[in-house]
Amino acid sequence: KQEVTQIPAALSVPEGENLVLNCSFTDSAIYNLQWFRQDPGKGLTSLLLIQSSQREQTSGRLNASLDKSSGRSTLYIAASQPGDSATYLCAVRAAGNKLTFGGGTRVLVKP
Amino acid sequence: NAGVTQTPKFQVLKTGQSMTLQCAQDMNHNSMYWYRQDPGMGLRLIYYSASEGTTDKGEVPNGYNVSRLNKREFSLRLESAAPSQTSVYFCVSGVTQLQETQYFGPGTRLLVL
Repeated sequence: KQEVTQIPAALSVPEGENLVLNCSFTDSAIYNLQWFRQDPGKGLTSLLLIQSSQREQTSGRLNASLDKSSGRSTLYIAASQPGDSATYLCAVRAAGNKLTFGGGTRVLVKP
Repeated sequence: NAGVTQTPKFQVLKTGQSMTLQCAQDMNHNSMYWYRQDPGMGLRLIYYSASEGTTDKGEVPNGYNVSRLNKREFSLRLESAAPSQTSVYFCVSGVTQLQETQYFGPGTRLLVL
């Protein structure tokens, strides 16, 4: 059974510092991995999608890497801003059409 | 485009009552899903529909039924609500089954007393 873990569960950084969020998964037979952002009381917004054949994806200040063999992905957010405060979730898609989510990392960027 | 819309946004039910959560997407997506999100349990798949006319069980289907009315709409029904079904429910859609970005609706907050 695929398990997805995100550590730490919560993270607080001063504005301007780079954020590093970790995601690990137990079964490397995945189709893709997706990073989401969730604001309080809202749905999830997709940030980046990395296919299993890719090593990384970039969008603006966001960069996500994928090491399928070791079961790890890292989301980097450069020069964090208070508006980056949210919960970040990763999810992997594997056989059976199922998206398995991690528990999320709650991020607070202090002004 | 409105994206993925859900109604209602919030609902309070008494144990044993029934209700249907509505979901619609205007992105011409084939796949639609229902997830529930609970503290400490994360997001779990209830049911999904790979295409119009098909539905399949996810991880936690007990107590729920679904209908893929057409390509746009995918409803979730609670026949006899239980307190364990208190949760936030998200409808999600995507272009194809596997190589896709998934788009979330805003969620329905359900409280069962």
